[in-house]
Amino acid sequence: DGGITQSPKYLFRKEGQNVTLSCEQNLNHDAMYWYRQDPGQGLRLIYYSQIVNDFQKGDIAEGYSVSREKKESFPLTVTSAQKNPTAFYLCASSIGGTELYGYTFGSGTRLTVV
Amino acid sequence: GNSVTQMEGPVTLSEEAFLTINCTYTATGYPSLFWYVQYPGEGLQLLLKATKADDKGSNKGFEATYRKETTSFHLEKGSVQVSDSAVYFCALLPQYNQGGKLIFGQGTELSVKP
Repeated sequence: DGGITQSPKYLFRKEGQNVTLSCEQNLNHDAMYWYRQDPGQGLRLIYYSQIVNDFQKGDIAEGYSVSREKKESFPLTVTSAQKNPTAFYLCASSIGGTELYGYTFGSGTRLTVV
Repeated sequence: GNSVTQMEGPVTLSEEAFLTINCTYTATGYPSLFWYVQYPGEGLQLLLKATKADDKGSNKGFEATYRKETTSFHLEKGSVQVSDSAVYFCALLPQYNQGGKLIFGQGTELSVKP
């Protein structure tokens, strides 16, 4: 079955470390997105990519970086510059015509700073 | 700018009660509108959508009508079940969307008691 796989499900980071969250899709979707979810704040867009080798900053890109070397993969790196990284991170993808199909989401990665 | 406002939660109902979760939006033109549902510890799933004014989206007993005159897309269900307990997100895709970016409300938590 097609879908989006995020790994790991839980991740712990020490202060000053960079960590990378994986997002893989086998839906042949062109566009991929990273959102951050905090309690009571809904979803905030970090980065998005419409095609391979291209991506754009979202509303809260500071302290994060991404790459899009393959259509299937859109990893997110949370750098040490991100001062408050503890959150639930959601990856999503969409085909052309988002208005008809919306997004497909992964099951998320919960990142905790220890 | 474009935005989505949902009623604050948590909403607590008894089983078989009638559910309404209010959603209003601000956008130019005719955005597409969506409801997503998030069960505990999981990603978001598309519940229903409407792409033009007066359209009614429906799925699993839930429905919502796209009201252009009141810029609203309220979610309703006639008889909720314990299994409906989740967080519900209203979202819009601007008519002249930039990169297919969905804009989400802050989410409304629903708790259904037996």
